[in-house]
Amino acid sequence: QKEVEQNSGPLSVPEGAIASLNCTYSDRGSQSFFWYRQYSGKSPELIMFIYSNGDKEDGRFTAQLNKASQYVSLLIRDSQPSDSATYLCAVNADNYGQNFVFGPGTRLSVLP
Amino acid sequence: DVKVTQSSRYLVKRTGEKVFLECVQDMDHENMFWYRQDPGLGLRLIYFSYDVKMKEKGDIPEGYSVSREKKERFSLILESASTNQTSMYLCASSSPTGGETQYFGPGTRLLVL
Repeated sequence: QKEVEQNSGPLSVPEGAIASLNCTYSDRGSQSFFWYRQYSGKSPELIMFIYSNGDKEDGRFTAQLNKASQYVSLLIRDSQPSDSATYLCAVNADNYGQNFVFGPGTRLSVLP
Repeated sequence: DVKVTQSSRYLVKRTGEKVFLECVQDMDHENMFWYRQDPGLGLRLIYFSYDVKMKEKGDIPEGYSVSREKKERFSLILESASTNQTSMYLCASSSPTGGETQYFGPGTRLLVL
């Protein structure tokens, strides 16, 4: 059974701080990694994807991947109250997008 | 922009009714997925389809069936709705040549009384 694990939270950070969200996965053959944001009552929306080891930056968001440790993280710099949401980590283990596994999500609360 | 639409945002049905949830995507994606999401249980895959008329069971297919007669449309059918199928249902689509990213519809919140 392929697993993707995240701390459920809630993770609370003050406005302007860095929020760090972590995810581990069990399938060593996983190839692509995704972070989604989901506001309460809404559907998940893609924030970032990463395929290679290292860091990938997009605005205030940085995804970090370490395949040897089977670990992927999302850093949110200068956190804003509008970043308060549940963040889902997802992992895909094939070339066709048919082997997607979502983590349970981490709830982030950014306090004004 | 990828657009995935779902036929209803909210639906109320009675136990034993046959329920159809429809999903349409406009990006010519090969893969389409149906999930349900419940508090504390995360996203659980019900069925997915990688081509017209093709389907694969996900983690929780019991009590559900699917239909994909056209590439852009993927339907989820609850043959005889039960109260334990009250949930948020999410449709998603992706393309193997598009980086496998799944794009979600707005969701259907189904209440079975």
